[in-house]
Amino acid sequence: EAGVTQSPTHLIKTRGQQATLRCSPISGHTSVYWYQQALGLGLQFLLWYDEGEERNRGNFPPRFSGRQFPNYSSELNVNALELEDSALYLCASSLGQVNTEAFFGQGTRLTVV
Amino acid sequence: QKEVEQDPGPLSVPEGAIVSLNCTYSNSAFQYFMWYRQYSRKGPELLMYTYSSGNKEDGRFTAQVDKSSKYISLFIRDSQPSDSATYLCAMMTFGNEKLTFGTGTRLTIIP
Repeated sequence: EAGVTQSPTHLIKTRGQQATLRCSPISGHTSVYWYQQALGLGLQFLLWYDEGEERNRGNFPPRFSGRQFPNYSSELNVNALELEDSALYLCASSLGQVNTEAFFGQGTRLTVV
Repeated sequence: QKEVEQDPGPLSVPEGAIVSLNCTYSNSAFQYFMWYRQYSRKGPELLMYTYSSGNKEDGRFTAQVDKSSKYISLFIRDSQPSDSATYLCAMMTFGNEKLTFGTGTRLTIIP
C-alpha cells in the first residue's frame, strides 16, 4: 500500500514568488495535515483539512493557504515567499478526524533565495 | 515558554545501552502523547502513542506518561545503530487535531 506522497521533493523559488506543494494521502484517509519544519524550530502546525473543508489552521499568515480536493489530495500554496519560508513542508494523513495515527510523507524541501 | 520542551541533544550512547528520551509540557489539556522517529531526509514515523498516564510497551520501546508532573518519556532497550535518528514527542487534545511537537532529540547509537 502506498504511503503519503508529496511532490515535488525539492523546490527552489525566488523571494516574492508563489509556491505550490502537493500531497496525496494514504488510500482511505480523509484528513490531511500540513506542517512546517524549519531548522531549529521543530514541526509547526499549518493546516488541517477533512472532507474537503479547512478544519483548523496554525499561527501562520494568510499567505499560507491550501485546499483539499474531492479525491482527498491536498495542495499547499505559499504566496509572496519570504526567505524565512525556507523549510521542509510535511504532509500527514489519517483516517477521519483521528490524528493519533497520522502518517507523514517525505516532505517537500522549499528553498527561497 | 514553549508548550512542549524537549532536550535537543545530541545524545550518543553505545550499542546495547538503554536510552531515555524525555519531554515536558505546560498544557494540562493534552490527552494523547506520541513519539515519532525521523531519519535524516525522511518524514517522521509514528512509533507509538499513549492516552493519559501510564506505561505502554512495544517491543524494545516503552512510552511512559506522568500527567501529574507533565512529563513523558520514551525508553529504548538494547539500542541498535539503526535506532540512530531524531526522536520527536508530540501531543494533542481530543477534538483539536493539531499535534504540538517538541523540537526533537538527535540520538546516535555507537557500534
